[in-house]
Amino acid sequence: GENVEQHPSTLSVQEGDSAVIKCTYSDSASNYFPWYKQELGKRPQLIIDIRSNVGEKKDQRIAVTLNKTAKHFSLHITETQPEDSAVYFCAASIRGGGYNKLIFGAGTRLAVHP
Amino acid sequence: GAVVSQHPSWVICKSGTSVKIECRSLDFQATTMFWYRQFPKQSLMLMATSNEGSKATYEQGVEKDKFLINHASLTLSTLTVTSAHPEDSSFYICSAANPLAGGQGEQFFGPGTRLTVL
Repeated sequence: GENVEQHPSTLSVQEGDSAVIKCTYSDSASNYFPWYKQELGKRPQLIIDIRSNVGEKKDQRIAVTLNKTAKHFSLHITETQPEDSAVYFCAASIRGGGYNKLIFGAGTRLAVHP
Repeated sequence: GAVVSQHPSWVICKSGTSVKIECRSLDFQATTMFWYRQFPKQSLMLMATSNEGSKATYEQGVEKDKFLINHASLTLSTLTVTSAHPEDSSFYICSAANPLAGGQGEQFFGPGTRLTVL
């Protein structure tokens, strides 16, 4: 079945450094790729998303790139801050039954050290 | 942005009892809602998709008779965990989408319900 692979599972950086998380997806028909940040015990919060007709999108310190040919997409966080510490999930849309559902990656635990 | 609420936020129950969790879209009509389960330090696993006025579609391996889903209105979906057992203890999260609004898959998540079965 469809799946999304996410790497790395854990990432530790110093404050001010950049962090990159990578995902690959299997369904070539996927056309929507959101990234979520989840703090312990809280709901996933959408931080950025990208659609298949765009190769890159940026929002302040966060950017996402998409390579449809390779079926890769990545999250880039620059100038990391301690409050960026959380678990980040990528997801890819899967079409079926008249609706889009999301398949999530396994998650990346990001720790930003002061 | 769109707001989704969930109730209760946490529940503790005895083994063998049933628990109902409500998911509401507060400021938009959700034609489709999704129910996820998340075990500690794991990802969100889609359990089922419910469409208003029709039967839910369950993911492979999810028992439809154990996890009853009802989506009777455009703002409310319920998940009932029947005859709960300790292995059902988990964080249950719903999300809502409105495909008719032209989105390509945006989902708005509820705050989650932590279920503990003793």
